[in-house]
Amino acid sequence: KNQVEQSPQSLIILEGKNCTLQCNYTVSPFSNLRWYKQDTGRGPVSLTIMTFSENTKSNGRYTATLDADTKQSSLHITASQLSDSASYICVVSDRGSTLGRLYFGRGTQLTVWP
Amino acid sequence: EADIYQTPRYLVIGTGKKITLECSQTMGHDKMYWYQQDPGMELHLIHYSYGVNSTEKGDLSSESTVSRIRTEHFPLTLESARPSHTSQYLCASSASGGPDSYNEQFFGPGTRLTVL
Repeated sequence: KNQVEQSPQSLIILEGKNCTLQCNYTVSPFSNLRWYKQDTGRGPVSLTIMTFSENTKSNGRYTATLDADTKQSSLHITASQLSDSASYICVVSDRGSTLGRLYFGRGTQLTVWP
Repeated sequence: EADIYQTPRYLVIGTGKKITLECSQTMGHDKMYWYQQDPGMELHLIHYSYGVNSTEKGDLSSESTVSRIRTEHFPLTLESARPSHTSQYLCASSASGGPDSYNEQFFGPGTRLTVL
């Protein structure tokens, strides 16, 4: 069964600190993996996308890594800001269908305190 | 910021009422999607469309219906709302061309529906 599991479920950190969010998936055949940021009451916004051949991708203070062999990804946030408070969702796409089926994790709820 | 809009943003309605959630995008995307999301849970695909006059049901069974008469517009309708329909509904769109799985889905802000 294709699944995406994220940990931790929630995380609280102080402003300025770094943190790392984890994503494990069983989706096959794998096409790509995206990390989305979803602010409260808003739709998700894509942060990074990685394909099978990529093992790291950065977007400002956000750095995503991918290990396609172990089917794990992480999202590292550097020097956190209050505006980083949001849910971070790992989304994996397969290439076995014309739709490009997306599998969503439940997200990690990050809270940054001043 | 993506040019995809949803109205209303919040809706509180009584059981048995008919409702339509609006979704419009100005990016000229052929593909559009409706997702349902409960707090702390993953998004579930309930409807999608490849283009005008094309609609398909998603993975999660839903009593809602959709239509795609214009490229930019993808409304979702519930004929008779029930408390079990209380949820957040997210609309998304993506471009065509190239492998489907590479085309980013752009999400609207969502409609928070509460059925009393």
